[in-house]
Amino acid sequence: AQSVTQPDIHITVSEGASLELRCNYSYGATPYLFWYVQSPGQGLQLLLKYFSGDTLVQGIKGFEAEFKRSQSSFNLRKPSVHWSDAAEYFCAVGGGSGNTGKLIFGQGTTLQVKP
Amino acid sequence: GAVVSQHPSWVICKSGTSVKIECRSLDFQATTMFWYRQFPKQSLMLMATSNEGSKATYEQGVEKDKFLINHASLTLSTLTVTSAHPEDSSFYICSANHRTPSYEQYFGPGTRLTVT
Repeated sequence: AQSVTQPDIHITVSEGASLELRCNYSYGATPYLFWYVQSPGQGLQLLLKYFSGDTLVQGIKGFEAEFKRSQSSFNLRKPSVHWSDAAEYFCAVGGGSGNTGKLIFGQGTTLQVKP
Repeated sequence: GAVVSQHPSWVICKSGTSVKIECRSLDFQATTMFWYRQFPKQSLMLMATSNEGSKATYEQGVEKDKFLINHASLTLSTLTVTSAHPEDSSFYICSANHRTPSYEQYFGPGTRLTVT
């Protein structure tokens, strides 16, 4: 079955500390992977995406993610968190043959930033 | 570029009435539009996929007669919640695919529906 798992429902980090949000996927074909961020009451903003090529991808707002096929993971990282990064983060996967464009979303991780 | 708008941003309606939510791609033609529902503190649940000029494809468990989707053009899709009830209160989000690459979805800001 196709699925995305974000093991951490809630993470709290201090401002300036590094951050890693975990994402594991189960997908029957070559996955296209995404990280989105959602502020309260807002839609989703794309942080970064992986389709192919270099497994370390850079995104907006200083985020990066690394695709590890052997571990079925696509973890999101940021070296120094800012208070404005507090939000909900979603990992998503799509792709494969018979592509319909549909994405499968993880449960989300709530990031809280302590001053 | 790749901006998706939704209207209204929030709406309150009485039980038994119908509500229409619009989703527009402002600066691109959308191959496909998606409608999601999101409950508080939860992930997005895909309700349906719609392509311009054809019937929407609904996910299992979504009542197609209750959630009517019309995709009139490459830039506009509408979701009508018919005979709304309090349990339909939720945050509804649409997204649209750019033609290339087809997987990248651009999300609208969402519509908060409250049924009293």
